[in-house]
Amino acid sequence: GAVVSQHPSWVICKSGTSVKIECRSLDFQATTMFWYRQFPKQSLMLMATSNEGSKATYEQGVEKDKFLINHASLTLSTLTVTSAHPEDSSFYICSARVGDSYGYTFGSGTRLTVV
Amino acid sequence: SQKIEQNSEALNIQEGKTATLTCNYTNYSPAYLQWYRQDPGRGPVFLLLIRENEKEKRKERLKVTFDTTLKQSLFHITASQPADSATYLCAPVTDTGRRALTFGSGTRLQVQP
Repeated sequence: GAVVSQHPSWVICKSGTSVKIECRSLDFQATTMFWYRQFPKQSLMLMATSNEGSKATYEQGVEKDKFLINHASLTLSTLTVTSAHPEDSSFYICSARVGDSYGYTFGSGTRLTVV
Repeated sequence: SQKIEQNSEALNIQEGKTATLTCNYTNYSPAYLQWYRQDPGRGPVFLLLIRENEKEKRKERLKVTFDTTLKQSLFHITASQPADSATYLCAPVTDTGRRALTFGSGTRLQVQP
């Protein structure tokens, strides 16, 4: 089946530093990648939609200068959390659609802790 | 505004029983609805998709119903097992061209051995 590989699975960084999260589609081409954030005991909240070769579309309230998204190829999308602060600590998940019949496939998530 | 409601309280059942989870939606006209399973610290995993013209869909021990009049989907797990313990998320999908999924808050299922 279609697999999205997400790395790292967890990361701890110091406040003020930047962290990059990668999502790779392993056996299909993902023209669109979705990025979600999930706080404890809450559901997934869409942050942005990235399209290969174009600028990402951000949801209202999500700072595009803080959460940099790059989708330079059909198999790789990255999310960079710049100048991270403790309130950015969360679970970040990417997702791609693989045709209508198969639903969406998700990465395994990245637990970001900013100290 | 669009709203997706799932029972936020955890559902505790005994092994072997049938678990029934509810997803209600308002201000939606979904073309189909999806159910996902999410384990702690993991991304959601796709389980089932049911279209608006389908009343019921089955996959092994899973069954999903879709009532567009009631604006409700029910998700059943028969002969439940402790390994079924997880959070289950529903996501109604409209054909508006907006491709991202919007999830309900999820219901945590705990199956006791």
